[in-house]
Amino acid sequence: DSGVTQTPKHLITATGQRVTLRCSPRSGDLSVYWYQQSLDQGLQFLIQYYNGEERAKGNILERFSAQQFPDLHSELNLSSLELGDSALYFCASSDYTGELFFGEGSRLTVL
Amino acid sequence: AQSVSQHNHHVILSEAASLELGCNYSYGGTVNLFWYVQYPGQHLQLLLKYFSGDPLVKGIKGFEAEFIKSKFSFNLRKPSVQWSDTAEYFCAVSHTGRRALTFGSGTRLQVQP
Repeated sequence: DSGVTQTPKHLITATGQRVTLRCSPRSGDLSVYWYQQSLDQGLQFLIQYYNGEERAKGNILERFSAQQFPDLHSELNLSSLELGDSALYFCASSDYTGELFFGEGSRLTVL
Repeated sequence: AQSVSQHNHHVILSEAASLELGCNYSYGGTVNLFWYVQYPGQHLQLLLKYFSGDPLVKGIKGFEAEFIKSKFSFNLRKPSVQWSDTAEYFCAVSHTGRRALTFGSGTRLQVQP
């Protein structure tokens, strides 16, 4: 158990819909990262937050957004969903060393 | 931008065979290097990491990796694999200016009993 909690574990929705994925980092970690894992794209970095502020942006689509709240949990919002958004979405948090601790992921299926 | 290359996409070995998975990165500055493992249906777990010091790093489950700065490489090794090592292995890099890890495309290891 990494200490990073993600909900929901599985999500099935339709194209055009909007979903929210939630992540609680390890106790004491200020940084939260979101990654997307798909068969064709591999592990892609989406976005990083540090203590409530956006720190780095990766290959995140404009239809996707994220935020980190004062209690340090984070949410990833995916809107106008397309079939190609079906993937495993991982959240990770890091300590001061930069080592990432990953949650178990949220598997999104868009039908 | 930094990138990470894993040359072996799919490796099939018999139990007790030795393993070496290649990883090369492109970034000229100081890097932090990681190997993560993802067992079927599970999340990524850290195998080992290198920040500084001895370039030969020992990790969990008998894995080790060697950082060769001149070759921009961080290859993963294990002298004798087990069936339970069947998993996908990811090399990852970060640097002090960008803490977010950049991952390689992964190597799927299949160990046959």
